[in-house]
Amino acid sequence: AQSVTQLGSHVSVSEGALVLLRCNYSSSVPPYLFWYVQYPNQGLQLLLKYTSAATLVKGINGFEAEFKKSETSFHLTKPSAHMSDAAEYFCAVSEGGGGATNKLIFGTGTLLAVQP
Amino acid sequence: GAVVSQHPSWVICKSGTSVKIECRSLDFQATTMFWYRQFPKQSLMLMATSNEGSKATYEQGVEKDKFLINHASLTLSTLTVTSAHPEDSSFYICSARTGGSNVLTFGAGSRLTVL
Repeated sequence: AQSVTQLGSHVSVSEGALVLLRCNYSSSVPPYLFWYVQYPNQGLQLLLKYTSAATLVKGINGFEAEFKKSETSFHLTKPSAHMSDAAEYFCAVSEGGGGATNKLIFGTGTLLAVQP
Repeated sequence: GAVVSQHPSWVICKSGTSVKIECRSLDFQATTMFWYRQFPKQSLMLMATSNEGSKATYEQGVEKDKFLINHASLTLSTLTVTSAHPEDSSFYICSARTGGSNVLTFGAGSRLTVL
């Protein structure tokens, strides 16, 4: 069965600083991995996805994530935080490796705070 | 891009009443829709998977008679919370995908408060 673990339920950075949100996965098949962002009282917006192509995936709003099989990680980064990045971020793995079901298994989320 | 609309975004109801939440794909045909529940400061928990024209598949522990899901068309799925109680208060989010796609589009969510 697939699962994801997000280390750190709260992360606080200064505006302009590097953002690093950690995600480790467990999967018995080659995984499809996703990062979503959720603003208060809203649904989820896809930031980026890894589907077994390039290991470094670039997403929207300047975010990127690198798939590292040896470390079973898919950490999300952004070189310079902006105030508008403050939100909750969820890492997810697609059950069955991204096949027909597309059931997403979500991590517990990381709340990113950006200090001025 | 693909857009999923949920309605209502906020609903308050009395205990014992039923509430229906709609999830519509506005510019694509959603062969599969998923319903999630999110408790405050927690992650999303998948409740059920619904395929157009067939019965929904519920996750373990989710009461199918409590949470009725209908996916009668390729653009609409509904979740009805029957005989709602305060413990059903939560944020309900739907997502949809079209056949052959590995990308889900999420609705903005519906916050249910049962008094």
